[in-house]
Amino acid sequence: SQKIEQNSEALNIQEGKTATLTCNYTNYSPAYLQWYRQDPGRGPVFLLLIRENEKEKRKERLKVTFDTTLKQSLFHITASQPADSATYLCALSAGNNRKLIWGLGTSLAVNP
Amino acid sequence: GAVVSQHPSRVICKSGTSVKIECRSLDFQATTMFWYRQFPKQSLMLMATSNEGSKATYEQGVEKDKFLINHASLTLSTLTVTSAHPEDSSFYICSALPGGAYNSPLHFGNGTRLTVT
Repeated sequence: SQKIEQNSEALNIQEGKTATLTCNYTNYSPAYLQWYRQDPGRGPVFLLLIRENEKEKRKERLKVTFDTTLKQSLFHITASQPADSATYLCALSAGNNRKLIWGLGTSLAVNP
Repeated sequence: GAVVSQHPSRVICKSGTSVKIECRSLDFQATTMFWYRQFPKQSLMLMATSNEGSKATYEQGVEKDKFLINHASLTLSTLTVTSAHPEDSSFYICSALPGGAYNSPLHFGNGTRLTVT
């Protein structure tokens, strides 16, 4: 069955640097992959979606890549700010339906 | 746009009582809503898929008689935790799929922290 692995350890970086978060999957390549942000005690907020035929997607300071050969997606936040501190979740489409498979998330702390 | 409102945000109840959680799509119609549960430092776990006008589809291991789902309109789905027990204490989050397209981003409510004493 499909499994998702995200960095389990928290990522601490200095303000202004680029944060890079990793999402690896183990089985079939999903039709699409999504990244969400979750703050403590809140629901996830959608950030970016990338399809299997797309290598890269950008939105303001955010960039997502999708490498089906490596079975990996990278999520980048450039010029990071303390307000970017949150948990970032990776989710994959589970075949030909509306369900998503979720990673555990990676906690990011941006220090001023 | 695409705002999902979930109430209550927190609820404390006694063991054996029932709790109802509401999930509303405020500015769009949602034929499909999803109910998730999240334990501390765990990933989102899908409990059930709620479809307007029909019975919910429950994931394996989720008791449909314990977690009652009603999706009576295109903007409201409810989850009722019946005869709650301390092990039901968790963070429950609903999400909606605007337009129903399977590759659309999900819009989440802000969750309900349920504590059963």
